[in-house]
Amino acid sequence: DAGITQSPRYKITETGRQVTLMCHQTWSHSYMFWYRQDLGHGLRLIYYSAAADITDKGEVPDGYVVSRSKTENFPLTLESATRSQTSVYFCASSDGSPGFNEQFFGPGTRLTVL
Amino acid sequence: GQSLEQPSEVTAVEGAIVQINCTYQTSGFYGLSWYQQHDGGAPTFLSYNGLDGLEETGRFSSFLSRSDSYGYLLLQELQMKDSASYFCAVRDDNTDKLIFGTGTRLQVFP
Repeated sequence: DAGITQSPRYKITETGRQVTLMCHQTWSHSYMFWYRQDLGHGLRLIYYSAAADITDKGEVPDGYVVSRSKTENFPLTLESATRSQTSVYFCASSDGSPGFNEQFFGPGTRLTVL
Repeated sequence: GQSLEQPSEVTAVEGAIVQINCTYQTSGFYGLSWYQQHDGGAPTFLSYNGLDGLEETGRFSSFLSRSDSYGYLLLQELQMKDSASYFCAVRDDNTDKLIFGTGTRLQVFP
């Protein structure tokens, strides 16, 4: 399928477990991003990547790990899930540096940590 | 750092015009973007203003005044399907981060 996809779409896990959220894009966009969205906070950047093997922290990186070995994939791992990480997670990609370049968002993953 | 302010909620009736304001504080500036998000959906790009003035795309227009650190999104001939959250965003100084405002929830009533 063309575009940007995320899996799983819904996930329930327990505190302390490791969880990996997947993101895949078919456009060969150089930039990829992970955001979390919580009521009252809008979209907050967790990590981003300007190219394969290049990643950098966003506003709220603590408790998360990313990797980008291939241009099209950008998985996000919660090493030891906490209840405060219950949120909706969006992956996005863009063809160039954000701002003047449109970001394309995936459908989101709703994560619940019990 | 950067910060953006926008109203939390705006209401209007079908056919009306509504303006959603966004003020920002940045030490550098690379333009103002707007995104729309329907409940349960993903954000989608609406517009980008890099220079002062008005950009028009159909029923939606976006305005920027860099001297006032201010922009707005103007929605005309409102339709029920315009009920959504609208986010303004600016690029972080000297990095590739896009910083979003907390969003304005627009409710359109018949």
